[in-house]
Amino acid sequence: QSVLTQPPSVSAAPGQKVTISCSGSSSNIGNNYVAWYQQLPGTAPKVLIYENNKRPSGIPDRFSGSKSGTSATLGITGLQTGDEADYYCGTWDSSLSVGMFGGGTKLTVL
Amino acid sequence: EVQLVESGGGLVQPGGSLRLSCAVSGFTFSDYWMTWVRHAPGKGLEWVANVDRDGSEKHYVDSVEGRFTISRDNAKNSLYLQMNSLRAEDTAVYFCARTGGSNKCDFWGQGTLVTVSS
Repeated sequence: QSVLTQPPSVSAAPGQKVTISCSGSSSNIGNNYVAWYQQLPGTAPKVLIYENNKRPSGIPDRFSGSKSGTSATLGITGLQTGDEADYYCGTWDSSLSVGMFGGGTKLTVL
Repeated sequence: EVQLVESGGGLVQPGGSLRLSCAVSGFTFSDYWMTWVRHAPGKGLEWVANVDRDGSEKHYVDSVEGRFTISRDNAKNSLYLQMNSLRAEDTAVYFCARTGGSNKCDFWGQGTLVTVSS
């Protein structure tokens, strides 16, 4: 059971928008930056969002991130079949002095 | 080009040991924290351990504390994970990741598979 809570799965049609939530506490999300990662089957994770809402170079602006209090959200617009993957939030926990990931959310583009 | 290449995985019996290595290139290794992350079959990502730029500060997830040791050799541009007293639940693909400011893992290796089984 992860300290960071994500929905196990989300789905939407091509071209539509989806959001993925990540809920934590004051010791992790509440006081630390959040990153979001995409993991395609059989590959290494890739960072999509860092410092809550920043995109690395090469990540399209269809991907966005936000944070409010002890929760964070990843948004994906203009869904494509190639977006089907597992998505993870990640942050640091200042009380435990460890990094952590959410349980992951499987995105299905119908 | 930033590259991270893990090695050292394999099949080991419960109670055994393995040492994973991560060879890096394309950036100044000593400028970055480094992290090990694992992905067990059918499960989500699990943060395992990280180490600061000179190897003096280390952090571990509870499930590996006392059994795993993270270390680095900045002269060799290499990161290591010494894994002792291995258990079946340690079976996973292990990734090394460059860790930038704000704890983001911005570059990852391809992973190395560790299987703990008799």
